[in-house]
Amino acid sequence: KAGVTQTPRYLIKTRGQQVTLSCSPISGHRSVSWYQQTPGQGLQFLFEYFSETQRNKGNFPGRFSGRQFSNSRSEMNVSTLELGDSALYLCASSSVAGAPGGELFFGEGSRLTVL
Amino acid sequence: AQTVTQSQPEMSVQEAETVTLSCTYDTSENNYYLFWYKQPPSRQMILVIRQEAYKQQNATENRFSVNFQKAAKSFSLKISDSQLGDTAMYFCAFIPSNTGKLIFGQGTTLQVKP
Repeated sequence: KAGVTQTPRYLIKTRGQQVTLSCSPISGHRSVSWYQQTPGQGLQFLFEYFSETQRNKGNFPGRFSGRQFSNSRSEMNVSTLELGDSALYLCASSSVAGAPGGELFFGEGSRLTVL
Repeated sequence: AQTVTQSQPEMSVQEAETVTLSCTYDTSENNYYLFWYKQPPSRQMILVIRQEAYKQQNATENRFSVNFQKAAKSFSLKISDSQLGDTAMYFCAFIPSNTGKLIFGQGTTLQVKP
């Protein structure tokens, strides 16, 4: 069974640009959540989607948005990039909404550098 | 506020020895799950062990075990017979019931030395 796949793995953008990251969950998983990982702030929850609906959202500005498609693939978008958005963005999938058992499976992440 | 604190930014241990990573958390919830995740240098986060808060028995997974003290809100990870492949950053985390939101600690970088 293929794991969680994130693309692109690395990307470089400049301030003011926007970026779209993609995540394909494990086959059969309908929940996808996103996390931002930085050295200073650590791992922070961005949002969770289940069956194309956003279930939870973290404390990030409106520049961060996401969506989920009918095949459970998810994208997140960051508009008007700032230097502080440089981070590793991790996607995780789960077979149940809210992952009550916490069985999240993570991808390898997308490393975003904003210049 | 719901927080997780890992007070040891870095630790090292000799191969085959035992090491304990500390974690405390703060929550007003009564029903939640606790986890230890491992993030090797390749960056993919892997679940090491999990504990359901309503279970008093400490979870064990092969060489990994936890010491869960609910009243003290403490959740330490013990790695026995440390192996070189255990070198990684370890994150303590908890998830309030059915929120889908993992709250992570800052992580402990563990180096296993030959």
